[in-house]
Amino acid sequence: KNQVEQSPQSLIILEGKNCTLQCNYTVSPFSNLRWYKQDTGRGPVSLTIMTFSENTKSNGRYTATLDADTKQSSLHITASQLSDSASYICVVSLNTGFQKLVFGTGTRLLVSP
Amino acid sequence: DAGVIQSPRHEVTEMGQEVTLRCKPISGHDYLFWYRQTMMRGLELLIYFNNNVPIDDSGMPEDRFSAKMPNASFSTLKIQPSEPRDSAVYFCASSASGRSTYNEQFFGPGTRLTVL
Repeated sequence: KNQVEQSPQSLIILEGKNCTLQCNYTVSPFSNLRWYKQDTGRGPVSLTIMTFSENTKSNGRYTATLDADTKQSSLHITASQLSDSASYICVVSLNTGFQKLVFGTGTRLLVSP
Repeated sequence: DAGVIQSPRHEVTEMGQEVTLRCKPISGHDYLFWYRQTMMRGLELLIYFNNNVPIDDSGMPEDRFSAKMPNASFSTLKIQPSEPRDSAVYFCASSASGRSTYNEQFFGPGTRLTVL
């Protein structure tokens, strides 16, 4: 069964601190892995997309890593800001011609002043 | 570009009533997706269209749900009759094939449905 699991479910950090969110997946056939940010009351917005051959990708203060051997990914947020408070969803795309997405249930991050 | 547009943003209805959710995809996109998001199950794909044709509706929970895409710029998701367990946020997303290897999906702001 294709599954994406994320940890922790929720996290509270102080403004300015760093944090790392984890994602484990059992998805086949794998095409790419995406991290989305979802602000409250809004739709998910893509932060990074990585294919099998990429093991790190950055988008500003966000850095995603991918270990295709262990089927793990992480999203590291550096120098957190209040605006980073959101849900972060790990999504794996299946390589099935049409790229079906398998979603994790997300990590809810709260950055506290 | 205005992005994916959904209406209404919020809908409160009583059990048994018909509910229609609307979506306008990004111009030029040939794929349109309907998702449902709940706290317990996260985001789930309900149905997707390619060039206005429904391709996979295996995620539609039951016959009470139906979706149409009469043209490239408009789609509806209808629930009839609605039930309290249909309460969720419904997202529409669109993507353009062939633009990149990623076929990135762009999500609308969602419709929060509450069925009393």
